[in-house]
Amino acid sequence: RKEVEQDPGPFNVPEGATVAFNCTYSNSASQSFFWYRQDCRKEPKLLMSVYSSGNEDGRFTAQLNRASQYISLLIRDSKLSDSATYLCATSGGYNKLIFGAGTRLAVHP
Amino acid sequence: DAGVTQSPTHLIKTRGQHVTLRCSPISGHKSVSWYQQVLGQGPQFIFQYYEKEERGRGNFPDRFSARQFPNYSSELNVNALLLGDSALYLCASSSAGARDTQYFGPGTRLTVL
Repeated sequence: RKEVEQDPGPFNVPEGATVAFNCTYSNSASQSFFWYRQDCRKEPKLLMSVYSSGNEDGRFTAQLNRASQYISLLIRDSKLSDSATYLCATSGGYNKLIFGAGTRLAVHP
Repeated sequence: DAGVTQSPTHLIKTRGQHVTLRCSPISGHKSVSWYQQVLGQGPQFIFQYYEKEERGRGNFPDRFSARQFPNYSSELNVNALLLGDSALYLCASSSAGARDTQYFGPGTRLTVL
């Protein structure tokens, strides 16, 4: 079993839709969780950090469920510019991140 | 302030050659981590350096090595290149006490022919 697993998608949604991604992790000792956004052939950019039960930033909400060992990312009112790959990551030691393979999102008009 | 910078942006090598990739962290950041990202996968951890010392190593062969300099910049070296080393190599920096939050550079895209 991979340490961090994500549904690869793609998720194809219309503008304005709400979309949610889940990410499961296997290491119950993980303390820090992150969502990164990665555009095609670019570097991952930090979207949100999650240390406790959840975090919200505008249209984006991340939630952590330690009992079931998953984190989720909810995007409300999707924009065309939200089209990207969303990477989930957990901490695997000091400044070591363990990434999932990413979930692709395509927002269409 | 400048973000993480990496050089070169692109590189083409042939099998058996060696390559050196460079990274400069965000000003004030003392920790640098290296990741390899092959197409369709998430980044895989290679090394982490803090204050010029190796603090973590991923599951990569000894052909991969790295170091960090007094100014906190870093080099990743790969010897005896294989076709499978073709990937985007990402450098990330973080500050002390940042609870693992890392910021990535634009990466070096390495193609091995």
